[in-house]
Amino acid sequence: GAVVSQHPSWVICKSGTSVKIECRSLDFQATTMFWYRQFPKQSLMLMATSNEGSKATYEQGVEKDKFLINHASLTLSTLTVTSAHPEDSSFYICSARGVDQETQYFGPGTRLLVL
Amino acid sequence: QKEVEQNSGPLSVPEGAIASLNCTYSDRGSQSFFWYRQYSGKSPELIMSIYSNGDKEDGRFTAQLNKASQYVSLLIRDSQPSDSATYLCAVGASGGSYIPTFGRGTSLIVHP
Repeated sequence: GAVVSQHPSWVICKSGTSVKIECRSLDFQATTMFWYRQFPKQSLMLMATSNEGSKATYEQGVEKDKFLINHASLTLSTLTVTSAHPEDSSFYICSARGVDQETQYFGPGTRLLVL
Repeated sequence: QKEVEQNSGPLSVPEGAIASLNCTYSDRGSQSFFWYRQYSGKSPELIMSIYSNGDKEDGRFTAQLNKASQYVSLLIRDSQPSDSATYLCAVGASGGSYIPTFGRGTSLIVHP
């Protein structure tokens, strides 16, 4: 099956710093990648959709200047949380879908804790 | 607004029983349907996909799709405590450019 990795799996940072999360499709070319956020005991919330080589499309209410998404290649997308604050602490999950796939495959997620 | 509805549960079943999880969707143009399982603290993992009306079986799992009634269900036979998780239903259009819509998930508890 298709494999998606995320790095790091855990990150703890001080308030005001920026954090970069990488999402990689290991055995397929991901033309579309999705970034989700999930707070404890809550449902997945789609933050943005990115297509390789173009700007990400952000969901309503998601600040694009705070959550920078780059999908520079067919196997890599990054999410940068700029000037992170404690309220940004959450579980960030990426997923990827290939050009000939109907299915999206999820990465293992990154748990962010902002102190 | 495309909506995918699931009963949040929890659905509690005894070990060995059949667990039935349901999902309804609002967009009649939906063509692809997925069930994901999410253990607490983990990311979702794909269980099954279904595209045509009827049943699709994979091991202990059976997905059922009825496009006319706009519902999709997941049956888990011989439920095990390890099946205890949140099950997410996702619905999308055909082609590679759609954004899937997820339900909020149903919590399943299988007790020994």
